[in-house]
Amino acid sequence: QQQVRQSPQSLTVWEGETAILNCSYEDSTFDYFPWYRLFPGESPALLIAIRPVSNKKEDGRFTIFFNKREKKLSLHITDSQPGDSATYFCAASEQGTGSKLSFGKGAKLTVSP
Amino acid sequence: AQTIHQWPVAEIKAVGSPLSLGCTIKGKSSPNLYWYWQATGGTLQQLFYSITVGQVESVVQLNLSASRPKDDQFILSTEKLLLSHSGFYLCAWSLQGERLFFGHGTKLSVL
Repeated sequence: QQQVRQSPQSLTVWEGETAILNCSYEDSTFDYFPWYRLFPGESPALLIAIRPVSNKKEDGRFTIFFNKREKKLSLHITDSQPGDSATYFCAASEQGTGSKLSFGKGAKLTVSP
Repeated sequence: AQTIHQWPVAEIKAVGSPLSLGCTIKGKSSPNLYWYWQATGGTLQQLFYSITVGQVESVVQLNLSASRPKDDQFILSTEKLLLSHSGFYLCAWSLQGERLFFGHGTKLSVL
């Protein structure tokens, strides 16, 4: 059973628009939610992460909105740039479990100039 | 600075042949180490993790095994490859089990 689900699988936006990537999870014991970004030819790298004590985490143009009751979160990328084109993975884990991160299938974002 | 090196970069192997993939982390003492696998179009699936030398925990059974012979080395292997083993293998390290730092991966094609 897929623990972490992402939608859409792919998204194309114009430069300057806001891209919204959605994520939902099954396990209510999950309490750490990182987003990893994968550029072609590179390895995944941590972009931003949130814990359920907050319902929002902001880092520059990247913001996570978190809804614990609905077990949903979303990554908003404002003023999208062509350099943001990449695959974005939502992940979740239970703290103290040796980083048993469960990843979603990823969402491919394309930002057109 | 910490570096993570995976080898080989890519492998083409026959069904039934053995496999050994390696991962070395330099610049970090006693890291947690992980093997992840990504099938084409699939998610990143954690296979194994290790918090200390000689100790490896299996997360998913895929007819693969892992060993940590040294503090900075993690090996993924099997004696008989299956077609279903094809995909992308990533090694990663972390401290305190949170942020993961990934290697560049090994692309495995089983024919």
